[in-house]
Amino acid sequence: EVQLVQSGAEAKKAGESLRISCRGVGYKFSNYWIAWVRQKPGKGLEWMGIMYPGASDIRYNPSLQGQVTMSVDNSNSVAHLQWSSLKASDSAVYYCARQSDFYSGMNDWGQGTQVTVSS
Amino acid sequence: SYELTQPPSVSLSPGQTARITCSGDTLPSQFTYWYQQKAGQAPILIIYKDTKRPSGIPERFSGSSSGTTATLTISGVQAEDEADYYCQSADTRGNNPWVFGGGTKLTVL
Repeated sequence: EVQLVQSGAEAKKAGESLRISCRGVGYKFSNYWIAWVRQKPGKGLEWMGIMYPGASDIRYNPSLQGQVTMSVDNSNSVAHLQWSSLKASDSAVYYCARQSDFYSGMNDWGQGTQVTVSS
Repeated sequence: SYELTQPPSVSLSPGQTARITCSGDTLPSQFTYWYQQKAGQAPILIIYKDTKRPSGIPERFSGSSSGTTATLTISGVQAEDEADYYCQSADTRGNNPWVFGGGTKLTVL
């Protein structure tokens, strides 16, 4: 069974760093794109970026570039999303999702990671 | 920046047909994808490439696209269909590969 297992909820202070993770289970991790989607409290979905583990191809939403960094650890089938200096406005639920090719839909989703940043 | 426009809310009674629209200038040349998100849960893909339904998605969910408008149709709405629905498409006019619509809250009265 294909699963995306995300790391647990985080409570941080503004200015701190953070890395959250998304582990792929039950499939060949390097063969599928992994996207990150943000959902702020009471708001809609926001596409953050996408990466292809097999080729280290990473593309960001231009509005977020420089604010977050996506990376991948193929040996452990894990994708990461990290911040060097959090802001209160980064408080949201972050989802990872898998897609079979760049222009397919997001077939499988992680359970989400709640990030709360206090000022 | 490129936007996909959805109605904020749709309300109807069980058994009625819900039609949720998504409008965007690039939809004539790009596929639309639809996601359902129930309260407190992760989204799930219910329609891909305008009209295709993933396995396990009930037949009452269907998609269509014409010109600059894509439509998600739910025939015979059930109480369990109450959720937020989001469209997604590619943003070929800018540097952002993908964009979501603002979402539509479907309320089953």
